Amino acid sequence: KQEVTQIPAALSVPEGENLVLNCSFTDSAIYNLQWFRQDPGKGLTSLLLIQSSQREQTSGRLNASLDKSSGRSTLYIAASQPGDSATYLCAVYTDKLIFGTGTRLQVFP
Amino acid sequence: DAGVIQSPRHEVTEMGQEVTLRCKPISGHDYLFWYRQTMMRGLELLIYFNNNVPIDDSGMPEDRFSAKMPNASFSTLKIQPSEPRDSAVYFCASSLATGVGGTDTQYFGPGTRLTVL
Repeated sequence: KQEVTQIPAALSVPEGENLVLNCSFTDSAIYNLQWFRQDPGKGLTSLLLIQSSQREQTSGRLNASLDKSSGRSTLYIAASQPGDSATYLCAVYTDKLIFGTGTRLQVFP
Repeated sequence: DAGVIQSPRHEVTEMGQEVTLRCKPISGHDYLFWYRQTMMRGLELLIYFNNNVPIDDSGMPEDRFSAKMPNASFSTLKIQPSEPRDSAVYFCASSLATGVGGTDTQYFGPGTRLTVL
């Protein structure tokens, strides 16, 4: 059974720091991996999607990497801002999306 | 496009009552998904549809839960009778059909927060 774990569960950093969120999964037979952002009381917003054949994807200050063989992905956020404060979820797609429990990020001024 | 639309945004009901949650997917999307999010179990897929046909309902917790998609622009998730442990946020999402098994990005609605007293 596929299990997705995210570390750390919560993170609080000052504005301007570069930070890394980690995601690990137990079964490497995935089609893709996605990173989402969830703001309080809101739905999920897709940030990046990495196909299983890809190693990384970039969007603005965000960079996500995928090492399928080791079952790991990282989301790198450069020069963090208070507006980045949210919960970040990773999810792997097998025959359905399986989500991790998320990392709650707070960036303070 | 207005994105995925869900109604109501909040629902408070008493145990034993019927609850119906509604979803309008993004126009042109072939896949529709229903998820449930709780503190204990995180975000879980309940059921998904492809071209209005239910494909996988293995995540539906009990027979008290049912979902329908009568047309491409509307879906319902019904709980009858509702119980306090059904309290959660229910999300609807939709996506285009690309690749294998609909592996395109899923777009989520704002969710319905359900409280069963």
